[in-house]
Amino acid sequence: DQQVKQNSPSLSVQEGRISILNCDYTNSMFDYFLWYKKYPAEGPTFLISISSIKDKNEDGRFTVFLNKSAKHLSLHIVPSQPGDSAVYFCAASPYSYGNKLVFGAGTILRVKS
Amino acid sequence: NAGVMQNPRHLVRRRGQEARLRCSPMKGHSHVYWYRQLPEEGLKFMVYLQKENIIDESGMPKERFSAEFPKEGPSILRIQQVVRGDSAAYFCASSPLRQESNQPQHFGDGTRLSIL
Repeated sequence: DQQVKQNSPSLSVQEGRISILNCDYTNSMFDYFLWYKKYPAEGPTFLISISSIKDKNEDGRFTVFLNKSAKHLSLHIVPSQPGDSAVYFCAASPYSYGNKLVFGAGTILRVKS
Repeated sequence: NAGVMQNPRHLVRRRGQEARLRCSPMKGHSHVYWYRQLPEEGLKFMVYLQKENIIDESGMPKERFSAEFPKEGPSILRIQQVVRGDSAAYFCASSPLRQESNQPQHFGDGTRLSIL
């Protein structure tokens, strides 16, 4: 039962352009969403988060959009840089069920210079 | 280094042996979470602990797996009588408060467990 889905296994983008990573969820109890970036042989690094009371959160080059009615969120990276090449995980937390994070399977982003 | 520390980074065990994975949370953090990542998959929640207390172990296999977070020292994830299917990357995360404060979990670099 995949409650958090990242349907694109990989994405390739030219340096300087926008990267858009998508995530869908099925559990309407989720109310806190996060994006993590992961390099090989390292742990996930927190990027940005959004609470369900918001529809947008921005931090530098990273913006997360949340569409609760569609149960969809997206991460925009602009401009994309070669150092952004990594695996990006979407995660969700069902607050009322505790603090565990439910992760998607990840999207490999490749930024070409 | 004030981050989440996991050791060992790599652990090789033969089938039937025991594996012990250690995690020291970030300074000031009192909540520890363990996740497992199988190849080509996302991270799967295993257990959530506070000092001397298991809060949520709904993701732990019913047998052979146990976790503790003693008053002193690191959190330990213990796997008894390991089997090949236990081969995975095990990640520990910590946070200072419950998620109602919207505090993100911070992860260590993981322990890669290989079963021969």
